Amino acid sequence: DPKIIQKPKYLVAVTGSEKILICEQYLGHNAMYWYRQSAKKPLEFMFSYSYQKLMDNQTASSRFQPQSSKKNHLDLQITALKPDDSATYFCASSQEAERLFFGHGTKLSVL
Amino acid sequence: GDQVEQSPSALSLHEGTGSALRCNFTTTMRAVQWFQQNSRGSLINLFYLASGTKENGRLKSTFNSKESYSTLHIRDAQLEDSGTYFCAAPMSNYNVLYFGSGTKLTVEP
Repeated sequence: DPKIIQKPKYLVAVTGSEKILICEQYLGHNAMYWYRQSAKKPLEFMFSYSYQKLMDNQTASSRFQPQSSKKNHLDLQITALKPDDSATYFCASSQEAERLFFGHGTKLSVL
Repeated sequence: GDQVEQSPSALSLHEGTGSALRCNFTTTMRAVQWFQQNSRGSLINLFYLASGTKENGRLKSTFNSKESYSTLHIRDAQLEDSGTYFCAAPMSNYNVLYFGSGTKLTVEP
C-alpha cells in the first residue's frame, strides 16, 4: 500500500487555469515537501513544511501556494497555469530532516 | 544542482556485472541519500548515510564526509536495476535536500 498518496496521477490543464495537487502521507512524519521534476531540470526543491508550518520556499513564483489543512496533508495550489509549469510534481515526507520518502507523483501537462 | 555532482551521467552494464556511481559535493554535507527512479517514474529511497558504509542486498553505499563524496556500488546487476540513480544531500538548511542530475543506468541481457 502506498504510504504517500498523491492525486491525481495525471492532470491536463489549459493555460491560465488553476489546479490543486493533493498529497496525504500515512508515515507519521512531521515534515512534508514538494519537489518538481521536468525534462529540463533535475529534481527541484519547492517547499518544505514542518508541523504544518512553512519552513522553506524556493519557488520564485507566488502562483504556487502550498496548503496544509492537516498534519499529514500538504496540497499544492497552482494558479494562472503556464505551459512551462508542465512537469511531474512529487510530494515527499520525512521525520525531521532524515530519510526522505516520495509519493508517486502527479504528472501535469499544461496546454 | 551544481553543489551535488554525479558521475557518470549514463552507464550501461551487462547482467551479472557491477560498477560504482559517484557523487561529489562542493561543500561539507552532514548526510547523503541515494534514490532510484524506476521505469514507472517512482522514486525509491535506497540509502540514508550520515557516515561510513551501508549495504542492502546487491547495493552498497559509502559516505566520506571529510572528502565530500559518496559512492553507490551495484554488483551482479539485474535488468530491474535499470533506472536513474540520484544522490541528494542537505545544504546549510537541513530542510532542503539538493539532488544531483542523476546517473541513467541501463542493464542489458
